[in-house]
Amino acid sequence: EDKVVQSPLSLVVHEGDTVTLNCSYEVTNFRSLLWYKQEKKAPTFLFMLTSSGIEKKSGRLSSILDKKELFSILNITATQTGDSAVYLCAVGSGGGADGLTFGKGTHLIIQP
Amino acid sequence: NAGVTQTPKFRVLKTGQSMTLLCAQDMNHEYMYWYRQDPGMGLRLIHYSVGEGTTAKGEVPDGYNVSRLKKQNFLLGLESAAPSQTSVYFCASSYSRQGAAEQYFGPGTRLTVT
Repeated sequence: EDKVVQSPLSLVVHEGDTVTLNCSYEVTNFRSLLWYKQEKKAPTFLFMLTSSGIEKKSGRLSSILDKKELFSILNITATQTGDSAVYLCAVGSGGGADGLTFGKGTHLIIQP
Repeated sequence: NAGVTQTPKFRVLKTGQSMTLLCAQDMNHEYMYWYRQDPGMGLRLIHYSVGEGTTAKGEVPDGYNVSRLKKQNFLLGLESAAPSQTSVYFCASSYSRQGAAEQYFGPGTRLTVT
């Protein structure tokens, strides 16, 4: 059974801090790892990673994948209150159903 | 472009009642998915479709049925609702198999079964 574990489950920091969110996985026939941000409604796409060691970057957010150690990190620098959300990690695999397997998410709260 | 839309946004059912959730996408995507999201459980795949006229089971299919009669629509049915089906339901679509493209999510339907 495919498994995705995120840590920490919740995190409270102050505006301006840098945070690192973790995602480890065990899946059959890995295809991709995706990060989503979920505020009050639909998850919105951040990154999709398929290759090890290649950092993806968008503004203050960046992410990297390690396929040997089976994990990914999502970094947010100079955090702002608008970064407060649940960050979801999901993995796509060839082991069965065509959908994504999600972790439980990291609830990030940025205090002013 | 509306993206992925879902109706209704909220619904309260009594145990044993039936209902259908509608998902529509205007991005011409082949792949569509239904997930449920419960506190502390993350999103779990219920059913999915890889094209018009096709459907397949996901991780938690029991108690649900789906249909994809038109490419742009994906319906999720509950024939006899149970309190365990109280959840937030998300529809998603993708232009390619997961692993090649991201999934776009609808705004969700909050369902309560009493």
